[in-house]
Amino acid sequence: DVKVTQSSRYLVKRTGEKVFLECVQDMDHENMFWYRQDPGLGLRLIYFSYDVKMKEKGDIPEGYSVSREKKERFSLILESASTNQTSMYLCASTQGGLAGINEQFFGPGTRLTVL
Amino acid sequence: RKEVEQDPGPFNVPEGATVAFNCTYSNSASQSFFWYRQDCRKEPKLLMSVYSSGNEDGRFTAQLNRASQYISLLIRDSKLSDSATYLCVVKTSYDKVIFGPGTSLSVIP
Repeated sequence: DVKVTQSSRYLVKRTGEKVFLECVQDMDHENMFWYRQDPGLGLRLIYFSYDVKMKEKGDIPEGYSVSREKKERFSLILESASTNQTSMYLCASTQGGLAGINEQFFGPGTRLTVL
Repeated sequence: RKEVEQDPGPFNVPEGATVAFNCTYSNSASQSFFWYRQDCRKEPKLLMSVYSSGNEDGRFTAQLNRASQYISLLIRDSKLSDSATYLCVVKTSYDKVIFGPGTSLSVIP
């Protein structure tokens, strides 16, 4: 079974803090994604990555950055957390190749609260 | 207009009922379609892909209408364990998928 793990289930930070969310997948997937999920808005893509050291902006990249130094690990960074970044953060991975994105496998999510 | 829209819900149905969810999408060039299921406080998981000819998996039937740009999910003989949020997902290009906001289903004993 594909396994996607995230570093924390729950996280509470203060405004202005730097926040690191880590995601690790064990199926050698090329593509990895970071989403945030808010009530009524669904999942919104923050950043994604096709390969090591490659990253692409999603629909809402402002206030976030990412790092992919190893194929299995994709980190989301909030340089200076703000209250409007309080949300559920979900990491996902999928095989790449000619078929592009198909089934995405999600981690359990990190519920981040910024006070 | 949002790229992917779903019935607002919530849907509260008795056990054994048949329930249908609709989803509309705005990009006529969309390539692939999926239904994901998300249990409360859990991550989304793929329920089924949606094929042009329609497809069935046990009590679940998915259909696609490209002309009208909507997909549907029908659940027959609802079980308590079907209670979840159902997410419509549309792949608009090689590397882009859009998630709908989800429809909440509660199956009541």
